[in-house]
Amino acid sequence: GAVVSQHPSWVICKSGTSVKIECRSLDFQATTMFWYRQFPKQSLMLMATSNEGSKATYEQGVEKDKFLINHASLTLSTLTVTSAHPEDSSFYICSALIPGLAADTQYFGPGTRLTVL
Amino acid sequence: DAKTTQPPSMDCAEGRAANLPCNHSTISGNEYVYWYRQIHSQGPQYIIHGLKNNETNEMASLIITEDRKSSTLILPHATLRDTAVYYCITMEYGNKLVFGAGTILRVKS
Repeated sequence: GAVVSQHPSWVICKSGTSVKIECRSLDFQATTMFWYRQFPKQSLMLMATSNEGSKATYEQGVEKDKFLINHASLTLSTLTVTSAHPEDSSFYICSALIPGLAADTQYFGPGTRLTVL
Repeated sequence: DAKTTQPPSMDCAEGRAANLPCNHSTISGNEYVYWYRQIHSQGPQYIIHGLKNNETNEMASLIITEDRKSSTLILPHATLRDTAVYYCITMEYGNKLVFGAGTILRVKS
């Protein structure tokens, strides 16, 4: 299957600082990528859809000024958590979309665990 | 909200087939059935998807009932490494994956 990487795999930061997470499609080009968040013992929640060369589309309740998404190339999307607070501590996962003739398939990265102190 | 219903957990003996059921009684004609799994502290892994015909790949088989209201994912010879949360998701082309709670599959030796 297609390979998606994330960097870093984990990060610890102080409250008030900003953290950038990278998501790369390694062996294919991805016009569309997605960002999810997962709290302990919960399922994945979609945060936003990232489209190459255009503004991201955020899900209801997700602050676009806090979670900045940039999809500047066909293989890279970044999520920046600005002014992070302890409640932003979570597992952040990206996925990249491979469109098909009749059905799309998303391939997921390994995730980034963010801990805000 | 997720549009599928799955049992919260299942156990399976190592080496035996694991049959994971999924109910999607409100599925529309254009929606595919996708299966993903998530091993602890990792990103979800794509397994298989189908529309109405049964599908098989190197990982699993997907059996969809004729009325498409339910499906079963079959892992033919479960191993300890198949212990994970399995998600059944229905999605129309161009739409978004909505993850439910999934089924925790525990493979035991």
